[in-house]
Amino acid sequence: GESVGLHLPTLSVQEGDNSIINCAYSNSASDYFIWYKQESGKGPQFIIDIRSNMDKRQGQRVTVLLNKTVKHLSLQIAATQPGDSAVYFCAENIEGGGNKLTFGTGTQLKVEL
Amino acid sequence: NAGVTQTPKFRILKIGQSMTLQCTQDMNHNYMYWYRQDPGMGLKLIYYSVGAGITDKGEVPNGYNVSRSTTEDFPLRLELAAPSQTSVYFCASSFETSGVLGTDTQYFGPGTRLTVL
Repeated sequence: GESVGLHLPTLSVQEGDNSIINCAYSNSASDYFIWYKQESGKGPQFIIDIRSNMDKRQGQRVTVLLNKTVKHLSLQIAATQPGDSAVYFCAENIEGGGNKLTFGTGTQLKVEL
Repeated sequence: NAGVTQTPKFRILKIGQSMTLQCTQDMNHNYMYWYRQDPGMGLKLIYYSVGAGITDKGEVPNGYNVSRSTTEDFPLRLELAAPSQTSVYFCASSFETSGVLGTDTQYFGPGTRLTVL
């Protein structure tokens, strides 16, 4: 069936380095993508979103890249900080899907001092 | 705004017991959702609602029921608890899809950790 998946379950980076978290999606009808951050014991928190008519979108220290040709989404975090340690989920919304999201399994980002 | 609030934070149930997980949002969102998150996994949609009086099934609705009598509240009911329902439950809400980036996202509550023994 259609699914959203992540390439790496755990990513360890040094403080100050850039982080790249990847996500593959398989539904070509998906038109809206979101990255969420989930800290231990908390609900997911919105980071950044992008629509299918865009290739790139930047926020504060974060950039999302969308490659529709290979159905790939990535989240780049610049100058990673200890507070960035969390699980990151990508989610996709299918056009006309009532704003329902399908979530990937998540990537654990660990920031080493 | 308090955002999305959920009660209780934790609950232990015996097999066959029933309970209601409460969810309230004060952002005047039309859409509300219930998800479950099993350990090390992503979120799976149980039920959702696009407005008061309207509910629909998500990916994993079996064993659950919902109601939406007001815009603010979206309770999730477990009638006969089973060990397979041990999970963390998240409620979320959102505006209708507007096409404006940053506004269509779902906002999540802190979760309810449920254990069925």
